[in-house]
Amino acid sequence: NAGVTQTPKFQVLKTGQSMTLQCAQDMNHEYMSWYRQDPGMGLRLIHYSVGAGITDQGEVPNGYNVSRSTTEDFPLRLLSAAPSQTSVYFCASRTGLFYEQYFGPGTRLTVT
Amino acid sequence: GENVEQHPSTLSVQEGDSAVIKCTYSDSASNYFPWYKQELGKGPQLIIDIRSNVGEKKDQRIAVTLNKTAKHFSLHITETQPEDSAVYFCAPRGAGNMLTFGGGTRLMVKP
Repeated sequence: NAGVTQTPKFQVLKTGQSMTLQCAQDMNHEYMSWYRQDPGMGLRLIHYSVGAGITDQGEVPNGYNVSRSTTEDFPLRLLSAAPSQTSVYFCASRTGLFYEQYFGPGTRLTVT
Repeated sequence: GENVEQHPSTLSVQEGDSAVIKCTYSDSASNYFPWYKQELGKGPQLIIDIRSNVGEKKDQRIAVTLNKTAKHFSLHITETQPEDSAVYFCAPRGAGNMLTFGGGTRLMVKP
């Protein structure tokens, strides 16, 4: 099992550019989530999904879109990048039965 | 939403000493209380968790204690080792069925 994988590991964008952060898991987990981590602020939930075709907003959803067409994949889209979106992004997954979240290695995004 | 605070924000101990990190939360409906460890350049990893019907849980050198009345739970690490150096997060699960992460505690274990 590869667990939760994320690509790319690093990305630099200019303000206004768009991009998609990829996340995949091979554990057949129903739940998937996206978090951002800023210095001194812990992790904040952006969007989450409880199954294919179902997504919902978390604490800080503005500026981000998600979709869940398959159980395995949960991409995060930035439509028009802003410097405030400079952060480290983590994808996580878990089963519906247990609460333990499995995190990917993260994507470090810089918007200039 | 849930308000979560961790203390201290940084903790430096000598190898072999004990370390205690405290997490306070606001949502009285919270029923699941995990601690995550994040090493440099990696994603967080669950190290121990406890449910609301249990007051204490221990796994080798680490333990978690829960005081639901006072709405706080703590991570205890005994006989600390250099490899325990990391950032630790509490993340109680509230009524919204989602985890809310604390701001993190940077633990440094000096050899």
